[in-house]
Parts: sequence; structure tokens; C-alpha cells
Amino acid sequence: DAKTTQPTSMDCAEGRAANLPCNHSTISGNEYVYWYRQIHSQGPQYIIHGLKNNETNEMASLIITEDRKSSTLILPHATLRDTAVYYCIVRVESGTYKYIFGTGTRLKVLA
Amino acid sequence: GAVVSQHPSWVICKSGTSVKIECRSLDFQATTMFWYRQFPKQSLMLMATSNEGSKATYEQGVEKDKFLINHASLTLSTLTVTSAHPEDSSFYICSASSGSVGYTFGSGTRLTVV
Repeated sequence: DAKTTQPTSMDCAEGRAANLPCNHSTISGNEYVYWYRQIHSQGPQYIIHGLKNNETNEMASLIITEDRKSSTLILPHATLRDTAVYYCIVRVESGTYKYIFGTGTRLKVLA
Repeated sequence: GAVVSQHPSWVICKSGTSVKIECRSLDFQATTMFWYRQFPKQSLMLMATSNEGSKATYEQGVEKDKFLINHASLTLSTLTVTSAHPEDSSFYICSASSGSVGYTFGSGTRLTVV
């Protein structure tokens, strides 16, 4: 089973920030939080990942709470092309680091 | 960046026939690749872990004799759906680790069994 829970869907106005939450209350100390997104009928695309500290790259920012039980992906200025399903994944430590996908959040950016 | 190529991108086959899907790491070597299946409006479900030079490790509930996985080289893994039936129609996606950040996913293969 996935170790993360996310809201099923969210809407965001174009140009506004999209804040996507993720709960991972059973995360272990050495497990990373990864975010991917999947645009319709394509493979998932890597966005960002983090362990403890907040992270930022050209695509998004990742805010991880101090207790690491939840995180938020922030798309600072959402565009129509950001409409996708966003997956929050905790990397399972099994020697081969399997990704177990949860249900994800279907983000719809509205014009 | 790391690129994973998946072929074909879509395929239609008759019920009872077998279909092979290829997953290639184009600019890196991948000792481990993963195969997923995704039904419409559902999340990705991990089917198996493909290990170069050894047998694949299948997730619980996935029939290894139906979904044959071969990982004969460090850049190629194949998934063969044997004796395909309409219920096998799905979106199949592979992924691989390049050793850098995260895993890279292929663009997926849409299989339709008629």
C-alpha cells in the first residue's frame, strides 16, 4: 500500500500558486519524499524531492513539515500546461527502492 | 537528462496473441527497471522489478507466466503479455534509475486487446 494520502482533486486559477498537500505520517527517518506529475497518457515526470529541508527548483518548491509527516508542493504561477495528476511518493527502502504510487491529486488549472 | 524510450507507444492485438513491449535506457545503463500498469482514471500499479541478468521480481497478484519480463542487457527490458485478453488492455509504463535523481519513466504503451 502507498504510504501517502493526497486530496483527490483540486482546481487552481491560471497565474495563481497551486498548493498540493500530501500526508505521509508513517515516513521513516531516511525516506525521501518525491513528487511526480503525469499529464494525460504520458509517463510520470519528476518534479522535485526532499528529505528534511525545503527545496526549490525551476519547476516547484517543496515544503516539508518539521515532523516530516506532511509536505506541500507549490507551483508558484500555475499555467494551463500544469493540469495533470500529481503524485507524492515516499521512497520505499527495499534494496531496489520501489515506488508505490498512491491515488494522486488531479490538478485542474482554470483559465 | 536521462531518457527512457518505450516502444511501441500503442498497440492493438487480437485476443489470444502475445505482445512485446520494449523499454530502453538511451543514455545510461540500468541494472534495474520497473514495470507498471495503469487502468483509466487509476494510479500506477507496480507489476514487477526487472533485474539485468536475473529473474524479475513480481508483485503479489501479478501472474509471472502471463507477463514475461526479460532484462538481457543493461539498456533493455522487455515485457511480453502472453495470450492477451481484453481485460489486459491497459497503459503499461516502465521506469529506470540512472543513478541520479529519482527514476525516469518511459512514455508508456497503450495496449488494446480486441
